[in-house]
Amino acid sequence: DGGITQSPKYLFRKEGQNVTLSCEQNLNHDAMYWYRQDPGQGLRLIYYSQIVNDFQKGDIAEGYSVSREKKESFPLTVTSAQKNPTAFYLCASSPRGSGGLETQYFGPGTRLLVL
Amino acid sequence: GNSVTQMEGPVTLSEEAFLTINCTYTATGYPSLFWYVQYPGEGLQLLLKATKADDKGSNKGFEATYRKETTSFHLEKGSVQVSDSAVYFCAGATGNQFYFGTGTSLTVIP
Repeated sequence: DGGITQSPKYLFRKEGQNVTLSCEQNLNHDAMYWYRQDPGQGLRLIYYSQIVNDFQKGDIAEGYSVSREKKESFPLTVTSAQKNPTAFYLCASSPRGSGGLETQYFGPGTRLLVL
Repeated sequence: GNSVTQMEGPVTLSEEAFLTINCTYTATGYPSLFWYVQYPGEGLQLLLKATKADDKGSNKGFEATYRKETTSFHLEKGSVQVSDSAVYFCAGATGNQFYFGTGTSLTVIP
């Protein structure tokens, strides 16, 4: 089945530690996105990538980093500079890098907790 | 800038009641409009969409009509079930930008 997978489902981070969230898609989509969701709130865009080896900052990129070395994969690293990382992280993809009229499809999410 | 505004929740309904969740948009040009649903602990699932004025999106008994004159895309269902309990997000897409509402929590009680 085609879809988007995220791992792990739960992730624990210690103070000062960098952690990486995985996102893989086999939909052959060009664009991929990372969102952060806090309790009772909407989604905020962290980073997005419209094509391999290129990515752009979203609204809340500080304390996060990404890479896009393969079309299928868009890992997100939460660095120690992110002082309030506890949230639910959602990865999405869309068929064309132009965004706009294209539909975004979401993975199941990773919940990050700070120890 | 481009945005969608949806009614705040939470909304609590009895089973078989009629549901309306309001959503209005502000955008340059004519955005595509979407409704997503999120069940507890899960990602967002596309519920329905409409790409131009007067289009009606529908799925699983839910409907929404793209109204240019009122810049709205209200979600409706004639008879809700307990299994419809979830958070519903209105979203828009314009050019290179995708934007979400803050979500409306729906609880359906038997």
